[in-house]
Amino acid sequence: AQSVAQPEDQVNVAEGNPLTVKCTYSVSGNPYLFWYVQYPNRGLQFLLKYITGDNLVKGSYGFEAEFNKSQTSFHLKKPSALVSDSALYFCAVRDRNDYKLSFGAGTTVTVRA
Amino acid sequence: GAGVSQSPSNKVTEKGKDVELRCDPISGHTALYWYRQRLGQGLEFLIYFQGNSAPDKSGLPSDRFSAERTGESVSTLTIQRTQQEDSAVYLCASSLALGSTGELFFGEGSRLTVL
Repeated sequence: AQSVAQPEDQVNVAEGNPLTVKCTYSVSGNPYLFWYVQYPNRGLQFLLKYITGDNLVKGSYGFEAEFNKSQTSFHLKKPSALVSDSALYFCAVRDRNDYKLSFGAGTTVTVRA
Repeated sequence: GAGVSQSPSNKVTEKGKDVELRCDPISGHTALYWYRQRLGQGLEFLIYFQGNSAPDKSGLPSDRFSAERTGESVSTLTIQRTQQEDSAVYLCASSLALGSTGELFFGEGSRLTVL
């Protein structure tokens, strides 16, 4: 079985401040990890993924995430948040031996001007 | 088109009616997925296809739900005798192949409201 936990329903930050969205996962084998963003009334958009190699992955719009195997975490970060980053963020995991991508419940990010 | 296309974008129906939701994946993508997103909740996996085969139907909530896919093209999700708890946004996604390391590409969803 595989699962994802996003412990924070909401994250609020001021524009220009660092943004962190937390994610922990559980899989029986080795994980593939993903972050998606959903803007209001839109479909999910891919941000970044960890497959193998360097634990720090960089993605779209200045976002990055760090894979931490010992803590089973894949937190999403952005050094300086923008108002336009306000959206719903989903972390997702797939076991390498499975085909189903499991999503967390999502974290709503609000960046205030 | 270049992206995943879903129709209808909005559907309002009466309890007990049947509905069909359609997904047209990105050309060349052999894997297709259906997810359900209830208001304020995360994505719930329903089913995936590799070609027109659905190896895992365990996510379908009940026997009122069924899905089919024609070749490596259009997929239809059918909900029979709709109930109010079926109200949700139904998202379709496609990827190059099952087991690939590529990301899923999502459509904008079909919002179903059951009165």
